[in-house]
Amino acid sequence: ELKVEQNPLFLSMQEGKNYTIYCNYSTTSDRLYWYRQDPGKSLESLFVLLSNGAVKQEGRLMASLDTKARLSTLHITAAVHDLSATYFCAVDMLRQGGSEKLVFGKGTKLTVNP
Amino acid sequence: DGGITQSPKYLFRKEGQNVTLSCEQNLNHDAMYWYRQDPGQGLRLIYYSQIVNDFQKGDIAEGYSVSREKKESFPLTVTSAQKNPTAFYLCASSSPRRTGSYEQYFGPGTRLTVT
Repeated sequence: ELKVEQNPLFLSMQEGKNYTIYCNYSTTSDRLYWYRQDPGKSLESLFVLLSNGAVKQEGRLMASLDTKARLSTLHITAAVHDLSATYFCAVDMLRQGGSEKLVFGKGTKLTVNP
Repeated sequence: DGGITQSPKYLFRKEGQNVTLSCEQNLNHDAMYWYRQDPGQGLRLIYYSQIVNDFQKGDIAEGYSVSREKKESFPLTVTSAQKNPTAFYLCASSSPRRTGSYEQYFGPGTRLTVT
């Protein structure tokens, strides 16, 4: 069974600081997804990482994937208050017969303080 | 504009009543999914469907039912057998055969409260 673990689950940081959120998963996969969820809202896709070594950046966020280590990181540079949200990573699980589903981590709730 | 719609946004029901949540997509996606999210928690998969007239149980299917009669629509019924139905329900879709990725696109969600 595929397990996806994020840490930390809660992160409080000051504006202007850097930090990294980690996403570890338990079985072989070369596709990983990051989503953002604002309070009371739905999930918004941030990054799609489709191969080992993939790196994507959008503004102050940068995501990377190391499939050998089964690890993805979401790095936050010079945090601002607008980045406060819950961030989820998800790994796809291609089963026998071609069934498709994503397994989500529990999410990291990020709070950026002035 | 292409997207996923869910209705209603908020739904209130009495215990013991069945209720159906709507999910429609005009993205021409093959696969559709239903998730449940409880406060402060992650997403749990209820049901998913890869093609019309076919669907599979997810991790927490008990007390729920679905149908997939049209590609665009994947309604979820929360039955009276579901013991704790109050939650935020999210519908999603994807089209890996076309895009090469299993990235899922989410609807705005339905917040169900059962008293």
